[in-house]
Amino acid sequence: SQTIHQWPATLVQPVGSPLSLECTVEGTSNPNLYWYRQAAGRGLQLLFYSVGIGQISSEVPQNLSASRPQDRQFILSSKKLLLSDSGFYLCAWSRRAGKRNTGELFFGEGSRLTVL
Amino acid sequence: AQSVTQPDIHITVSEGASLELRCNYSYGATPYLFWYVQSPGQGLQLLLKYFSGDTLVQGIKGFEAEFKRSQSSFNLRKPSVHWSDAAEYFCAVGAADKLIFGTGTRLQVFP
Repeated sequence: SQTIHQWPATLVQPVGSPLSLECTVEGTSNPNLYWYRQAAGRGLQLLFYSVGIGQISSEVPQNLSASRPQDRQFILSSKKLLLSDSGFYLCAWSRRAGKRNTGELFFGEGSRLTVL
Repeated sequence: AQSVTQPDIHITVSEGASLELRCNYSYGATPYLFWYVQSPGQGLQLLLKYFSGDTLVQGIKGFEAEFKRSQSSFNLRKPSVHWSDAAEYFCAVGAADKLIFGTGTRLQVFP
């Protein structure tokens, strides 16, 4: 069966420090991968998604970046965190289905980032 | 542009009462629609999805949703709410390799 792991689960970082959140999917190949951020009262915001190794699409301009060094690994990074980067970050994957992603998203348990 | 609107930010119901959570979408083609549920501090779990066919879709935990093209809606319903249904609910529309989510509705259940 497929599983998705995210870490760390909780992170407290000072403003200006770097960030690295990792996400790994097991039990499937060639998944689409996603990073969402959930800020209080603001729903789920899609940050990045990837349909293959090295292929990253960014949805919003910000000081975050994403990378996909391996088929089932997705990393969210920042060189210098801002207070506004605080939130709950969710990684997700989906099966690639033809020309359009019609399938469900499978979510990780999330990483709570607090920037002080 | 694709979008999803959940007009109710917070809903409170008594246990055993019926529930309807509203969702309206904007999408140029036939939409693929989803409802997810999130317990506090957790990831999201799929409740149900609509791709085509019967417009009344059954999901897990006794939930159902009805797709109404004329109203661009995909409302979630449950005939009798349980205390364990207290959570945040998200509606989403599938659009070109990604899902667009609404802002969510927080459900509170009183005993």
